[in-house]
Amino acid sequence: SQTIHQWPATLVQPVGSPLSLECTVEGTSNPNLYWYRQAAGRGLQLLFYSVGIGQISSEVPQNLSASRPQDRQFILSSKKLLLSDSGFYLCAWSLGRSANTGELFFGEGSRLTVL
Amino acid sequence: AQSVAQPEDQVNVAEGNPLTVKCTYSVSGNPYLFWYVQYPNRGLQFLLKYITGDNLVKGSYGFEAEFNKSQTSFHLKKPSALVSDSALYFCAVINYGGATNKLIFGTGTLLAVQP
Repeated sequence: SQTIHQWPATLVQPVGSPLSLECTVEGTSNPNLYWYRQAAGRGLQLLFYSVGIGQISSEVPQNLSASRPQDRQFILSSKKLLLSDSGFYLCAWSLGRSANTGELFFGEGSRLTVL
Repeated sequence: AQSVAQPEDQVNVAEGNPLTVKCTYSVSGNPYLFWYVQYPNRGLQFLLKYITGDNLVKGSYGFEAEFNKSQTSFHLKKPSALVSDSALYFCAVINYGGATNKLIFGTGTLLAVQP
């Protein structure tokens, strides 16, 4: 069966420090991968998605970047965090394009607090 | 552009009573619709989806949803609510096009079930 792991679960960082959140998927090949941010415990905003190694699409301009160095690894980064980067970050995967029936499968989330 | 609306920020229901969480959609073409549930500080879990076929879709934990094309609605229902159903519920629709299909989420409805 497929599993998704996301870490760290919680993170407190000072303004201006770097960020790295990591997500890995097991039990599937060539997944589509996604990073969402949930602010104020509610709305979900799609930040990045990837359909393959090295292929990153950004949905909104921001202080963050994403990378996919391996098929089942997706990393969210920042060189210098802002207060507004605080939030709950969710990684998700779906089946690749030809098999994609729409469902997303989410990790447990990473709560980032920038002070 | 595809979109979903969840008109209620919060729904309160007594345990044992039926519950309904509302969702309306706006799509061009045939809609692919989803419901997800999020427990506090957790990732989202897939509940059910409508692709085609029977308008009444059954999902996890005793939930079901009714697709109504004339009213462009996809309300989530359960005949008898449990306190453990208390959570944040998201309706979503697929946004076609581009390199992958992306889910567009509603703003979420907090379900509170009182004992």
